[in-house]
Amino acid sequence: NAGVTQTPKFQVLKTGQSMTLQCAQDMNHEYMSWYRQDPGMGLRLIHYSVGAGITDQGEVPNGYNVSRSTTEDFPLRLLSAAPSQTSVYFCASRTGGGSYEQYFGPGTRLTVT
Amino acid sequence: GESVGLHLPTLSVQEGDNSIINCAYSNSASDYFIWYKQESGKGPQFIIDIRSNMDKRQGQRVTVLLNKTVKHLSLQIAATQPGDSAVYFCAENGLGADGLTFGKGTHLIIQP
Repeated sequence: NAGVTQTPKFQVLKTGQSMTLQCAQDMNHEYMSWYRQDPGMGLRLIHYSVGAGITDQGEVPNGYNVSRSTTEDFPLRLLSAAPSQTSVYFCASRTGGGSYEQYFGPGTRLTVT
Repeated sequence: GESVGLHLPTLSVQEGDNSIINCAYSNSASDYFIWYKQESGKGPQFIIDIRSNMDKRQGQRVTVLLNKTVKHLSLQIAATQPGDSAVYFCAENGLGADGLTFGKGTHLIIQP
């Protein structure tokens, strides 16, 4: 299994541009999440999905959209990039049931100028 | 708001010594806690977890202790090795159905 994969690894955007961060997992996990990690801070939940067709907001959802059309994929869209969205973005997945153990992707480092 | 935090941003230990990384949480509704290790440039990696109905759980060279009375969580690493150098995060399921609330992290530095 490849686990959780993310593309791209690095991205530079200008303010106002839009883009999609890709995330895929091949473990047939029901749950998928997007986090952002800023210097000196822990990870903060942006959006999550408990299954295909179902998404919900996390702690910091503003400026981001998600969709879950398949079990495998969970893209994160930045509608109009702002410098405040400069961060490292991590996608994670986990099985259903009682375990909260999440498997994280390698991250996408995004810089908005 | 309620959050998970760590007492020290950096912890320096001698190779071979035991490391203890502490975490305080404030959401009394959380019933699941997890420790992650994050090496530079990589995503967090699961180390060990514990449910609120337990006080202690052991893995390979690692032990997690949970004190619900004072809302305190700790990670003990035995015989610390250079490969243990990383940032360690505690997390709790304080967000309910999904997603974890993470602490800010402790950078563990191993002295030769």
